[in-house]
Amino acid sequence: AQKVTQAQTEISVVEKEDVTLDCVYETRDTTYYLFWYKQPPSGELVFLIRRNSFDEQNEISGRYSWNFQKSTSSFNFTITASQVVDSAVYFCALSERANEGGSQGNLIFGKGTKLSVKP
Amino acid sequence: ETGVTQSPTHLIKTRGQQVTLRCSSQSGHNTVSWYQQALGQGPQFIFQYYREEENGRGNFPPRFSGLQFPNYSSELNVNALELDDSALYLCASSSRINPRDTGELFFGEGSRLTVL
Repeated sequence: AQKVTQAQTEISVVEKEDVTLDCVYETRDTTYYLFWYKQPPSGELVFLIRRNSFDEQNEISGRYSWNFQKSTSSFNFTITASQVVDSAVYFCALSERANEGGSQGNLIFGKGTKLSVKP
Repeated sequence: ETGVTQSPTHLIKTRGQQVTLRCSSQSGHNTVSWYQQALGQGPQFIFQYYREEENGRGNFPPRFSGLQFPNYSSELNVNALELDDSALYLCASSSRINPRDTGELFFGEGSRLTVL
């Protein structure tokens, strides 16, 4: 069964601190995709990154970086020098490659981590 | 802003009633997915429509049904509302070359349903 676990329910940091959001996933498939989404109070899920299972290179985008480790089934997200605008709920999600006749590309979300960045 | 619009943004219904939620997909997108997000939880997949046909369904009862129109907009209908149906309903659109493609999802801001 596919599953995404975000063990940290809430994290609170002070502005300019670095913060890492953990994500552990379970899947039997060898081909899958991992995502991070940000959900501000408005409710809209904002896409941050998609990673396929064959690409273990870490990625950096501005203050955001992602560490994908297949050996530990983890896909952690780090925000460097956090800002108040980073306050939101962050979701990690898993999508398996489509199988014949099955649901394809649908996202399985973790429960989310609420990040509060205080000035 | 993703270009995915949902209506209504908020609504209140009573148990046993029926509700229709609407979603306009981003221009050029042919796939719409619906998710239910209960308070404090991650979104859960309800179903997906690709080129007007249901193309996958999550673990939701038949009283959750949907439609996709020729312009790729979509409706989610829920019959016989229950208290546990209170949630944020999110619509996401994507562009797929074929039904098995895993396209990036663009989400709307959701419709918040309260069932009393």
